[in-house]
Amino acid sequence: DAKTTQPTSMDCAEGRAANLPCNHSTISGNEYVYWYRQIHSQGPQYIIHGLKNNETNEMASLIITEDRKSSTLILPHATLRDTAVYYCIVRGVAGNNRKLIWGLGTSLAVNP
Amino acid sequence: EAGVTQSPTHLIKTRGQQATLRCSPISGHTSVYWYQQALGLGLQFLLWYDEGEERNRGNFPPRFSGRQFPNYSSELNVNALELEDSALYLCASSLVAIAEAFFGQGTRLTVV
Repeated sequence: DAKTTQPTSMDCAEGRAANLPCNHSTISGNEYVYWYRQIHSQGPQYIIHGLKNNETNEMASLIITEDRKSSTLILPHATLRDTAVYYCIVRGVAGNNRKLIWGLGTSLAVNP
Repeated sequence: EAGVTQSPTHLIKTRGQQATLRCSPISGHTSVYWYQQALGLGLQFLLWYDEGEERNRGNFPPRFSGRQFPNYSSELNVNALELEDSALYLCASSLVAIAEAFFGQGTRLTVV
């Protein structure tokens, strides 16, 4: 299973964009990049996923580098409610690669 | 549409007892995943069920077991409970291989 590397923690001012990086240098061609977040003691919440093109939804944007070895999750206008642990995960589409392997994530603190 | 539901919300057991945790996936989802999250740690993959079959298990002893029923709901059983089994147990379900997984709010198991 591909592994991901994320900074342990980050700070962001309320109203500013939060850019959360993730390295996944061993990702294989059929593995997707998923982002989830977990607000304290709640179940993780799906944010976005992508294969190689940039993706955007109502919550965030996902920028994947051309070589697919890293990606950045962008929260365009962070609010206090975005304070959470953000997990970057790579996941395959078949067999055992379908399970999600979680790292320790990035603890994002949005400050007023 | 109801999300993933887990029961009970909290469970207190004594060392050596058995615990049974239950999960109902989103209607139509056939895959169920179980994760353990000890306090302050990331999610550790436990078990994955799909179409009633165990597809993969994480690095946990055999006293962690489970099953998936014909209606795709699932049970996680933990036998011979140890103090270190105290954790938040999360269940997730997904529809197809590349679809996002939706999580329940978890069962907080405390072993005393």
